[in-house]
Amino acid sequence: DGGITQSPKYLFRKEGQNVTLSCEQNLNHDAMYWYRQDPGQGLRLIYYSQIVNDFQKGDIAEGYSVSREKKESFPLTVTSAQKNPTAFYLCASNPRGSGGHEQYFGPGTRLTVT
Amino acid sequence: KQEVTQIPAALSVPEGENLVLNCSFTDSAIYNLQWFRQDPGKGLTSLLLIQSSQREQTSGRLNASLDKSSGRSTLYIAASQPGDSATYLCAPGGTGANSKLTFGKGITLSVRP
Repeated sequence: DGGITQSPKYLFRKEGQNVTLSCEQNLNHDAMYWYRQDPGQGLRLIYYSQIVNDFQKGDIAEGYSVSREKKESFPLTVTSAQKNPTAFYLCASNPRGSGGHEQYFGPGTRLTVT
Repeated sequence: KQEVTQIPAALSVPEGENLVLNCSFTDSAIYNLQWFRQDPGKGLTSLLLIQSSQREQTSGRLNASLDKSSGRSTLYIAASQPGDSATYLCAPGGTGANSKLTFGKGITLSVRP
C-alpha cells in the first residue's frame, strides 16, 4: 500500500534532549513537509523540501532541523532550543511543482516533553 | 501573508441535516484549495481539491465550491451522518511551484444520531 508512515505514534522526552521524528513515504513524491499542530490551532509549517538535498524553512523553523538525503525520507529533529516542543507533528507529501496536486498526510507523532 | 478563517469553531447538527461549512481567506492569489477531514488524534484525510480555475468539486455527499475573487470556499455535506463527526479544515495553496498550504483552525462537527 502506498502512503506515508510516521514513527513512533507517541514519543516522550525529557526537557533538554534532542529528539528525531521519522517520516517515510513510498508515493514517489518529490515534495515533503513538516507541520506542527497545537490544540485549537491550525497546522503551522515547520520545514519543507521540494527535492532531495534541498529544504526551506517554513513559518516556525526555530528550534527544529531537517535533512533530506533520500527521496523517501524527511526526518525532523526537535532540538533543545525549541521552547515549546510538546505538540502533534504531521508529515505530508505531494508531487513536486505541484500546483494542482493533493497533499497527503501521515498519521502523526504526538511528542510530549517534560 | 495568507490568513484563513473558519467560523464557527464547532457545530452540532441532527443526523440527516444538510449543512454548509464556510472558509474565508485573505489573499485571493491562490493556486488551489484543499478540504481535509481530521479525526481525533489522527492525521488529515484529503476530501476535495479545487483548482483555482474551478468553481466546484464533488465527491459522493460532499461538494466544495470556490469563489476565489471573494476569498471564500464552502464545503456542503448532504444528509449528514454520525460518521461525519470530525474536524474539517480548509487550506488554500500558494501560487507557482510552491505548493505550501495555509490552514484554518478547522470546524469541529458533531452529528447527533
